[in-house]
Amino acid sequence: DIQMTQSPSSLSASVGDRVTITCRASQGIRNFLAWYQQKPGKVPKLLIYGASTLQSGVPSRFSGSGSGTDFTLTISSLQPEDVATYYCQKYNSAPLTFGGGTKVEIK
Amino acid sequence: EVQLVESGGGLVQPGRSLKLSCAASGFTFDDYAMHWVRQTPGKGLEWVSGISWNSGKKDYADSVKGRFTISRDNAKNSLYLQMTSLRTEDTALYFCAKDTISNWFRFFDSWGQGTRVTVSS
Repeated sequence: DIQMTQSPSSLSASVGDRVTITCRASQGIRNFLAWYQQKPGKVPKLLIYGASTLQSGVPSRFSGSGSGTDFTLTISSLQPEDVATYYCQKYNSAPLTFGGGTKVEIK
Repeated sequence: EVQLVESGGGLVQPGRSLKLSCAASGFTFDDYAMHWVRQTPGKGLEWVSGISWNSGKKDYADSVKGRFTISRDNAKNSLYLQMTSLRTEDTALYFCAKDTISNWFRFFDSWGQGTRVTVSS
């Protein structure tokens, strides 16, 4: 099965900083990748699918890129409400596998 | 508004069974594939199982294959997960999640609040 590895596992950044999270697949998955945001005590929320397509209603400071095995989620200007854990998920085929998550905090 | 409400969780001994339910509303249930996803305390997300709109396609994570069975009743707008031979490592918060298409498994645009399953003697 394809493994999904996220890095870093956690990060601390200042408000306004540009934040980048990486997700690597152990085999190529084309662009079949989604990103989720899970705020503390809340359920996951879909941010991006198709590696780079923003889900309706998601702020434009979020963006995704990549194809094949290497993907990134970027927050162009970190806001206090972005404190959350972010997960990637591949969906080229079952099993649908999540990355281990990246916890984003404010410095 | 999409609503997914899970039920059926609880405390159960290792080796026993439990059946989870998810009541769906706010969308045309039989237009979409549905899934179960779990989250262990303090850890990440794990996809458990998925089922296509007409139950023709079902898939499971290796960790539950042969022990869990997913099903749906479109007339009742409900999704189920029958869990047997439960293990301590099945302890988790179980989410019901809606896919974005009917007959394939992709990603999840709506989630329930989850039902907690604790497997312990």
